[in-house]
Amino acid sequence: NAGVTQTPKFQVLKTGQSMTLQCAQDMNHEYMSWYRQDPGMGLRLIHYSVGAGITDQGEVPNGYNVSRSTTEDFPLRLLSAAPSQTSVYFCASRTGGGPGNQPQHFGDGTRLSIL
Amino acid sequence: DQQVKQNSPSLSVQEGRISILNCDYTNSMFDYFLWYKKYPAEGPTFLISISSIKDKNEDGRFTVFLNKSAKHLSLHIVPSQPGDSAVYFCAASVQGGSEKLVFGKGTKLTVNP
Repeated sequence: NAGVTQTPKFQVLKTGQSMTLQCAQDMNHEYMSWYRQDPGMGLRLIHYSVGAGITDQGEVPNGYNVSRSTTEDFPLRLLSAAPSQTSVYFCASRTGGGPGNQPQHFGDGTRLSIL
Repeated sequence: DQQVKQNSPSLSVQEGRISILNCDYTNSMFDYFLWYKKYPAEGPTFLISISSIKDKNEDGRFTVFLNKSAKHLSLHIVPSQPGDSAVYFCAASVQGGSEKLVFGKGTKLTVNP
């Protein structure tokens, strides 16, 4: 039972480089989200998706792109990495079915350092 | 401007006693509240939630209380166990859009044997 899988777990980039953080879930969840967590801070929403082909911005979207071509995958792209993007990135998913709200399930994170 | 505030960065309790973690919010549109537990180098794990139509929800040793008039919620853990030592995040969302969570900064709970 894999749940939400994030790769890589660690990454070091140089300023200006681009990269894609991968997120996959095997629970057939409609909703997926990306958050970042900075030291001493709570998680902040970057982008989210309510289904394949549908994405929207969260609180801190600048410098990031997302797409959702399949239900399972929700990659996060850093277009031109900046030191301010050094953070721990968490992907999450939840089902839209069932009674009331359903909680999000989180991956174990990608620790990204930008030099 | 923080919409969800956890004013205690840390809390230390003895094993077997009650742990009470507090959370305040400012956005009156929030109608769904959750608590997540996070161990180092892992993602947050869902613990318990409460809808704004309720004022209490229990799940085993964990109880969440919601006081809408005070815009305050609390998580009670009874009895506390050493394995409960973790960072606890309070989160809130609006109108059922719980993929758009707003998190507090977290409270680090240490349960001493």
